[in-house]
Amino acid sequence: DTGVSQDPRHKITKRGQNVTFRCDPISEHNRLYWYRQTLGQGPEFLTYFQNEAQLEKSRLLSDRFSAERPKGSFSTLEIQRTEQGDSAMYLCASSPQSANTGELFFGEGSRLTVL
Amino acid sequence: KNEVEQSPQNLTAQEGEFITINCSYSVGISALHWLQQHPGGGIVSLFMLSSGKKKHGRLIATINIQEKHSSLHITASHPRDSAVYICAVRSGTDKLIFGTGTRLQVFP
Repeated sequence: DTGVSQDPRHKITKRGQNVTFRCDPISEHNRLYWYRQTLGQGPEFLTYFQNEAQLEKSRLLSDRFSAERPKGSFSTLEIQRTEQGDSAMYLCASSPQSANTGELFFGEGSRLTVL
Repeated sequence: KNEVEQSPQNLTAQEGEFITINCSYSVGISALHWLQQHPGGGIVSLFMLSSGKKKHGRLIATINIQEKHSSLHITASHPRDSAVYICAVRSGTDKLIFGTGTRLQVFP
């Protein structure tokens, strides 16, 4: 399978614990995006990378959230000291370099439930 | 007011009907995406448009840049078309701004 893969698909954790999600994009895609989606809503932008550089972060991304893409390939999204409001689907997408012609390819998402 | 508005929010149809979903946006854009999301979360890109019209099978997407409006049409709808259809725009930087989606149910 050469699509975007995310791991884990589901994570249940207790409030206050740290969680980390991983995204493996399509190998030749330079751009990688993280989005968050709550029930009944459209996805909300969190952050995106071009290669290893983090180019933009949403104000939704509080200090408890950090994302990395150390070698310009896979990316991790870490949430520290989770809160119940962090419960959501975390979606990763990748695209070719050109912003105006790059179709997006999404992973299946990582669903987080904070108890 | 959301920067990307979709209508209707929910749509039911009988198999075979012609379906239209609308998307209006209030920001300058470089491209507009139509996406399909099935239960369980997986999102598939249907179209990316910056002008005019695109067709793929029974799906047609149009965009009017001057009016800041796009439509997604499904001809001869089928129960397997049941999903949430999401409009998203690229604006300014490379992030996407998403609408809240239109939930479509097609009954046999």
